[in-house]
Amino acid sequence: SQLAEENLWALSVHEGESVTVNCSYKTSITALQWYRQKSGEGPAQLILIRSNEREKRNGRLRATLDTSSQSSSLSITATRCEDTAVYFCATDTGYQNFYFGKGTSLTVIP
Amino acid sequence: EAAVTQSPRNKVTVTGGNVTLSCRQTNSHNYMYWYRQDTGHGLRLIHYSYGAGNLQIGDVPDGYKATRTTQEDFFLLLELASPSQTSLYFCASSDRQGINTLYFGAGTRLSVL
Repeated sequence: SQLAEENLWALSVHEGESVTVNCSYKTSITALQWYRQKSGEGPAQLILIRSNEREKRNGRLRATLDTSSQSSSLSITATRCEDTAVYFCATDTGYQNFYFGKGTSLTVIP
Repeated sequence: EAAVTQSPRNKVTVTGGNVTLSCRQTNSHNYMYWYRQDTGHGLRLIHYSYGAGNLQIGDVPDGYKATRTTQEDFFLLLELASPSQTSLYFCASSDRQGINTLYFGAGTRLSVL
C-alpha cells in the first residue's frame, strides 16, 4: 500500500503563476518532507515540516501540514522554468525508513 | 553541503550477471541507504546501514545484498541479476537517527537484458 501519495501525476503552469501540490499519507509521522527531483539528478530536499508545525516557508515555497487529515501541501509562487521537476512528499517516521510518494511532475511553460 | 557520489552512472548487464553499484559519501554521515526508483512505484528502500559493518533490511530487499565497508562506502550487490531489477538506483546518506535530511547521489541507471 502507498503510505504517501501526491494527488496528481502531472500538471503544468505558465511561468509566473502559482501552483500547489497535495500529498496524503497513511502512517504516523515525526515529520513530512518535500523533495524535488530534476531530470538526471537525485532528489533534493526542499522543506521539512515537523509534526507539531502547521506551516513552513522557504523562499517562494510554502508547505502546510494537517496531521488530523494526514495531508500536506506544497505551494510555489511566481514559478520559474527552473521549477520544472518532479515533486515528492516523504513521510519521516523517525525510524530511518522514509516513505516516498510517486511524485507529481510539474512543467513550467515559458 | 553533503556530497554523495555513485558509480557507475550507467550499467548494462545480462540476466544472471553479477553487478556491484558503489556509493561514497564524504560528509561523515552515519546512515546510508539504497533506493530503487521505478515508474509507478516511486522510491523504495532496498537496504540501509548506520555504520561500517552494519546492514538493515528495507522494504524490497529480495535479490539484493549490500555491504558497508567504511563510514564512507556502501555497496549494492546483485549476484544473479534479473530483468525485474532494471531500474534507477539511488544512494543517500543522513547524519543521525530521527528527523533528518536525506542527501541523494545522482543515481545509477541499470539495465538487465
